[in-house]
Formats: sequence, structure tokens, C-alpha cells
Amino acid sequence: ETGVTQSPTHLIKTRGQQVTLRCSSQSGHNTVSWYQQALGQGPQFIFQYYREEENGRGNFPPRFSGLQFPNYSSELNVNALELDDSALYLCASSLGGTSVSYEQYFGPGTRLTVT
Amino acid sequence: AQKVTQAQTEISVVEKEDVTLDCVYETRDTTYYLFWYKQPPSGELVFLIRRNSFDEQNEISGRYSWNFQKSTSSFNFTITASQVVDSAVYFCALSETNTGANSKLTFGKGITLSVRP
Repeated sequence: ETGVTQSPTHLIKTRGQQVTLRCSSQSGHNTVSWYQQALGQGPQFIFQYYREEENGRGNFPPRFSGLQFPNYSSELNVNALELDDSALYLCASSLGGTSVSYEQYFGPGTRLTVT
Repeated sequence: AQKVTQAQTEISVVEKEDVTLDCVYETRDTTYYLFWYKQPPSGELVFLIRRNSFDEQNEISGRYSWNFQKSTSSFNFTITASQVVDSAVYFCALSETNTGANSKLTFGKGITLSVRP
């Protein structure tokens, strides 16, 4: 069974640029959630995708957007980067739908630094 | 709105000591799930336990045990005979149930546990 993978591991961007982070969900999982974890804080929910549709969104501006593909992998896109976007971005996969499981399995994260 | 409070920010113990990590939650839902995750320095969140709101039985898994008390909205985590490998940040999280896909997790701020040899 393949776990959750994320790429890249680390990324440095300049304020105003755009970034795309990628996540491959665990085998058999159809739901992907994205979280932002600032230094010294707990993860904050950005949004969730279930069967290629957005299914819930946290308190993040529209410049945070996402996609989920037919193989259930996902992308997080952030436009017009700000210094406060510097954080660890975590992807979590889980099984939703008729066989609901509330256990979310996390990837290793992407460390984004905005300068 | 749901909220998770981990009042302890840092705990330092000597190896073999027992340690309890506190978690208090707020929710208006009658059906919800509580979780504990461990985050080692590598950054990946490791799932430890899930407990639903209807199951108040305490659980023990090896050196780990969890005490869920609905009356005080607490879900505390105890590590018995701590080891250096237990050093990590520990997060308590809450998920309210939802129809269809999984609900979002609301995390506390985490507790940094340092176990000294």
C-alpha cells in the first residue's frame, strides 16, 4: 500500500509569484484535504476535494485554489504569494463516500518559503 | 464553531517518567470525532487514535492510553514510561461529522514533548 506523497519537499518563491504543490493520495482513498501549518502552530484547514469536486473550504482567500484529478491526486495553487504564506503545506488523504472513514493520513509536507 | 485547546505548550520529562498531554474541545455537534496525531521533526503527522463521541471507553495501546470524558469535554493522552523516541509535537484534533465526504480537522496548537535520557 503506497502512502501519501507530496512534491516538492522544499520550495523558495518570491512575493507575488505563483506556486503549485502536488499530492498523491494513498491507494484506495478518494478524498484529499490540504492544510497550512505556520511555524509553531497547528495545521489550518484550507479545503478538501472529494471525487474531483471541492467539498468544504476553510478561511482562506480565493488566491488559494485546488484541483483533484481522476486518479485522486491533487494540486494546491497559490497566486500572488505573500510573506505570510510561508508555511508547511500538508496534504491528507482519506476514504469518503458510502464507506466513510474519518481517519486522515498525512503526507510529509511541502515547506514553502516566500521571500 | 469548533475549537481545540491544548493549554500545555512544552513539556520536558526524563525517560521512564509518565506524562499526560491535555486536550479540551468545544463543539455544538452531538456527533463528532477526536484524534491525536504525533509530529516528529521530519514534519509528517502520524495518526495515533480516533475516538467517536459515543464511545467514552478509555483505550490503551501499549504505552499509550487515552481518557475521553464528555462531561468535561476532554480527551487526554498519557504516555507511560516515556522514551526518547516519544519526543515530538503532539496535536489533538476534532472533526464534526458530515454527510458524504470527510469533515475538516480542527487542530489545537500542539504540545512539544521532550524526553531526556
